[in-house]
Amino acid sequence: ETGVTQTPRHLVMGMTNKKSLKCEQHLGHNAMYWYKQSAKKPLELMFVYSLEERVENNSVPSRFSPECPNSSHLFLHLHTLQPEDSALYLCASSQVVRGKGGYTFGSGTRLTVV
Amino acid sequence: GDSVTQMEGPVTLSEEAFLTINCTYTATGYPSLFWYVQYPGEGLQLLLKATKADDKGSNKGFEATYRKETTSFHLEKGSVQVSDSAVYFCALRPSGGATNKLIFGTGTLLAVQP
Repeated sequence: ETGVTQTPRHLVMGMTNKKSLKCEQHLGHNAMYWYKQSAKKPLELMFVYSLEERVENNSVPSRFSPECPNSSHLFLHLHTLQPEDSALYLCASSQVVRGKGGYTFGSGTRLTVV
Repeated sequence: GDSVTQMEGPVTLSEEAFLTINCTYTATGYPSLFWYVQYPGEGLQLLLKATKADDKGSNKGFEATYRKETTSFHLEKGSVQVSDSAVYFCALRPSGGATNKLIFGTGTLLAVQP
């Protein structure tokens, strides 16, 4: 497989559940990102990992917990979510070279919290 | 902080009509500017980019010119097709910084009718 793969494509979870979103890239990139896409809002940057270290965390609630075990994999662990967390969660990767490099996005996970 | 403002959609056009989607930005220094496209059920794909003032990015008949004096990066296409129906996102990458993060607008839905 090539590109950025996200699983699952769709997820419905209750507010007391714990689930994880997975992202995998086969592009040899050294940076990975989680974005939240909600209707009529700009894409919200949640987390940035560069060289497997978290370098940015944009005031995201602690019910979202990222994990980057290696440069090819990125997870977003979810627990005790709220209905307003329902959104499309997009993963992206890039090759960071002096601040340059375009993004490659996955197809996203459509999350519904009930 | 840095931000991107796009015209609200949806934009509905007939096939072969001329397209303009407005985008303005607020940023310090000289950011790089991008247009991404999201087809239904997919992630975002890079459409075109410009990295310095007066640069013109172009791809698949779409064009956008980096206008420093008006802080704008409007997307244009001379003759749209039904297959261009998608959500279009304007984005900027701040100058400087090491994380290569992108800041997106809200997206503009384009619907092209036959």
